[in-house]
Amino acid sequence: AQSVTQPDIHITVSEGASLELRCNYSYGATPYLFWYVQSPGQGLQLLLKYFSGDTLVQGIKGFEAEFKRSQSSFNLRKPSVHWSDAAEYFCAVGHTGNQFYFGTGTSLTVIP
Amino acid sequence: SQTIHQWPATLVQPVGSPLSLECTVEGTSNPNLYWYRQAAGRGLQLLFYSVGIGQISSEVPQNLSASRPQDRQFILSSKKLLLSDSGFYLCAWTNPWSEAFFGQGTRLTVV
Repeated sequence: AQSVTQPDIHITVSEGASLELRCNYSYGATPYLFWYVQSPGQGLQLLLKYFSGDTLVQGIKGFEAEFKRSQSSFNLRKPSVHWSDAAEYFCAVGHTGNQFYFGTGTSLTVIP
Repeated sequence: SQTIHQWPATLVQPVGSPLSLECTVEGTSNPNLYWYRQAAGRGLQLLFYSVGIGQISSEVPQNLSASRPQDRQFILSSKKLLLSDSGFYLCAWTNPWSEAFFGQGTRLTVV
């Protein structure tokens, strides 16, 4: 069965510090992988996606993620966090658009 | 361009009352449609998905049901709401080879 694990429920970083949010997946076929961000009370916005090709994916707002097949991981990174990055982050896995599954999310707090 | 509409944005309903949340998609045809629920601190739970008109797959047995009467319309329903049905409900659509696009969500409070 497909699953997505985000081991960190909550992360706090200082503004300007680097960030890495972890995501591990379990999927029988080659997965499509995604990171979404959600501001309070809002829908989800796509940050980046991986379908194939280069395993380092660039997204919006300065985020990037690296697909590591050997580790079944798709960690999200940002070199310097801004206060506006405080939000909930979700990793997701899908395949040809059916059964789109999300992790439980990581809540990011940014301190000045 | 494609858009997704979800309404209402907020809803307060008494226990035992019926529920109907609607989601429509514009600008695409034959999308896969999804209903998710987001409870506090519990991430996004896939409730239902549909690959075509009248085709509904349920991920979690519960008090809710879904229907797809038209290609771009997806409805989430309940005959009698429970307190545990409170949460943030999100509709989404995908096409093969694409990411999921989300509505703005409905905050349901059952009192």
